[in-house]
Amino acid sequence: SAVISQKPSRDICQRGTSLTIQCQVDSQVTMMFWYRQQPGQSLTLIATANQGSEATYESGFVIDKFPISRPNLTFSTLTVSNMSPEDSSIYLCSVVGAWSTDTQYFGPGTRLTVL
Amino acid sequence: SQQGEEDPQALSIQEGENATMNCSYKTSINNLQWYRQNSGRGLVHLILIRSNEREKHSGRLRVTLDTSKKSSSLLITASRAADTASYFCATPNQAGTALIFGKGTTLSVSS
Repeated sequence: SAVISQKPSRDICQRGTSLTIQCQVDSQVTMMFWYRQQPGQSLTLIATANQGSEATYESGFVIDKFPISRPNLTFSTLTVSNMSPEDSSIYLCSVVGAWSTDTQYFGPGTRLTVL
Repeated sequence: SQQGEEDPQALSIQEGENATMNCSYKTSINNLQWYRQNSGRGLVHLILIRSNEREKHSGRLRVTLDTSKKSSSLLITASRAADTASYFCATPNQAGTALIFGKGTTLSVSS
């Protein structure tokens, strides 16, 4: 498996601002993903973070709102841009590595509150 | 789109009792995973069961998979207060890479 860390663990932000969330893995992984979990809801995939190229976004999510970077095999960032209260959620990164092509491990999440 | 649907949505039991959660899905899958989430924190991977497996055990956890019924169940035996959490099933998306999650079952174990 892998040890995954996220920064920040939580934040309270003002409407209209942006927040960048970092995801760091302690070993090289093949795939990295970003999910959103709105209050009281399940997880929804935002995008697949592709190393060295543009992320692949799911329907309903766009790059201007959620720009993603993945400069190497162990690190990715998700930015939540021009935030509104509807963006208040837990944001989680997850990874798939050489240990298994299927098992996906999750980071501890970033709890975002937008006022 | 939602793939898995857990049942029940909420479950309250006493310590020592068994807890059973069910998950139904819509399309053919290669595998199904169960996760636990404590108080809105990160997800902990519990178990993965492949489509050619019918049952899998891990400690106090027992997972079954019935591909003909497109359903899976998670049994937690001799539950403890520390098992209080939300439990989610997840199946691969169409690309076979990321996961589609069910709505989850919230388990409350009281001592």
